Amino acid sequence: GDSVTQMEGPVTLSEEAFLTINCTYTATGYPSLFWYVQYPGEGLQLLLKATKADDKGSNKGFEATYRKETTSFHLEKGSVQVSDSAVYFCALRGGGNKLTFGTGTQLKVEL
Amino acid sequence: DAGITQSPRHKVTETGTPVTLRCHQTENHRYMYWYRQDPGHGLRLIHYSYGVKDTDKGEVSDGYSVSRSKTEDFLLTLESATSSQTSVYFCAISEQRTGRANEKLFFGSGTQLSVL
Repeated sequence: GDSVTQMEGPVTLSEEAFLTINCTYTATGYPSLFWYVQYPGEGLQLLLKATKADDKGSNKGFEATYRKETTSFHLEKGSVQVSDSAVYFCALRGGGNKLTFGTGTQLKVEL
Repeated sequence: DAGITQSPRHKVTETGTPVTLRCHQTENHRYMYWYRQDPGHGLRLIHYSYGVKDTDKGEVSDGYSVSRSKTEDFLLTLESATSSQTSVYFCAISEQRTGRANEKLFFGSGTQLSVL
């Protein structure tokens, strides 16, 4: 079945550092890929998405490129801020109408 | 923000008691979902609904039942709560566009359930 693997956290960075959170997936066909973010005490929010190979999703300075050859959708940001501290979830939607989530990666950004 | 209200926000109950969690939406979205969030597991789908009285099981449905008698309400029931059901429960909704659901989920703020 479909699955998503994320790097384990927590990831701790200093403000203005470069961020990469790795995500790889297993799915049949051509899934859509998503990154969701969860701020403390809140539900998840869609951060960005890509629906086909080589698409780049971007939002709020975050980017992720759909790489079919490596089955990856790594999240990147050039300069993180304290306000980016949250838990980030990679997810995919395969042939059915359900999302499969990764286990989440906690990001802590310090001054 | 999408209009999703979960109630209660926090609940402590004892093993063996029934518990019902409510999700209410004001968006008139067709699809509604119940997830549980646990450390090391991320979010796992319990049940979902694709319309009034139309529901289906997710990957961790054992011990849970759902009902959707109105578009706006989706209830999750634990018939006899167990300690393994201690978790944070999230409701989510999505609309259907061009026959494809789930392009974007909107989540509620969650219910923290503790089963002692």
